[in-house]
Formats: sequence, C-alpha cells, structure tokens
Amino acid sequence: DTAVSQTPKYLVTQMGNDKSIKCEQNLGHDTMYWYKQDSKKFLKIMFSYNNKELIINETVPNRFSPKSPDKAHLNLHINSLELGDSAVYFCASRTDTYQETQYFGPGTRLLVL
Amino acid sequence: GQNIDQPTEMTATEGAIVQINCTYQTSGFNGLFWYQQHAGEAPTFLSYNVLDGLEEKGRFSSFLSRSKGYSYLLLKELQMKDSASYLCAVRPLTGGGNKLTFGTGTQLKVEL
Repeated sequence: DTAVSQTPKYLVTQMGNDKSIKCEQNLGHDTMYWYKQDSKKFLKIMFSYNNKELIINETVPNRFSPKSPDKAHLNLHINSLELGDSAVYFCASRTDTYQETQYFGPGTRLLVL
Repeated sequence: GQNIDQPTEMTATEGAIVQINCTYQTSGFNGLFWYQQHAGEAPTFLSYNVLDGLEEKGRFSSFLSRSKGYSYLLLKELQMKDSASYLCAVRPLTGGGNKLTFGTGTQLKVEL
C-alpha cells in the first residue's frame, strides 16, 4: 500500500502553460509539504499545510498555489510555467510523534520546454 | 538562517565502513535527520538525533554533537545497494510546521 502518492510521475509541458500536481497520503497525518529538488539535487521546502491550513510559505513565486481540500490531500497548481520550474517536486507528510519524521512521495518530474 | 555542509561525493569499497559528515550552523536546533535517496527515487528516512551521542540501527549509525554543530552517518558492511545520495537535514527550534533545511547531499559510490 502506497503511503504518499503523487500524480503524475512525469510531466512535460510548454512554457506558459498551467499545470497541477496531486498528492495524497493514507497515513492519517495532519501535516503535508511540497518540496522542489533542482538539477543539483538540492531539496528545498516550498509549502506546508496542517489540517488544510497553510503554515509554511517560503519565498516562492505566486505562480505556485497550493490547495488542500482535506488533510489527506495537498495539490500544487503552477501558472504560466517557466523553464526554471523544471525540477522534481516531492510531496511529503509528517508523523505526529515526537520525531515528526517526514515521509516523501515518489516525486513528479516536471520538464518545461 | 541555517547553513548545512556535507561532502559532495565519496567512494568506498563493498564490505568496508564509511563515515559521512555533516556540519551545521543554525539559529536554533531541534533535531537532525539523515535521509537516503537513490537516483530517481524519493528520499527515505534513515535516522533521527536530537540528543548528543550515537544512535544505532542495524548497519547504519548516526552521531550528533550539538555543541560542535556536527553529525555523522556511519555505514558498516557496505553493500552495492548503499550507493545513493545521503541527505542531512536540520529542524530549527522555532519556525512551526517542522520545517526541515536540507544539505546538498553526499553522493556515495560503493565499488567492488
């Protein structure tokens, strides 16, 4: 059973398009995240939601808009895609134990042409 | 702010022991994580340290010294499948939401 799942796994699109990535977790966690991993493999947090409420919003262009319809889902919508948006986007969710370990989804490989 | 440093690459021999170091400078500290990431895959959780000392989990151990801002991941009896990137991540004391700051990762290559 997949704990954190993302769709699509691969996304190839043209500059200027709008696209969405979906994430779902079946772990019962309250907190979910979006990370971006660039070509140099640097993993950087973008957003975090706790029980549908935005709690972390890093310096990310406002073309990126997260949406959490319920605590098991966190989607990422990107408007007016640019070449520099090409990266792997990882969703993660967090345990509520004292360790607060984050568990990552398989990633969405976005290529903007 | 936070600054995390790890070596970019390391090479080791199958069956050997390797130590991957991580140094950090943070405005507050509330735990350090190690993740393993195979090429094309998601990071997977390996270990967590919040108090000084060594945490052992099978072939993997992680050490923390808060006064020195230093951690290492020790991998014993290396196997070819251990070839991966190892990411050190620090959680600040404040900031809410368990915001992790990741290092750039150490690419480990295990050779025969």
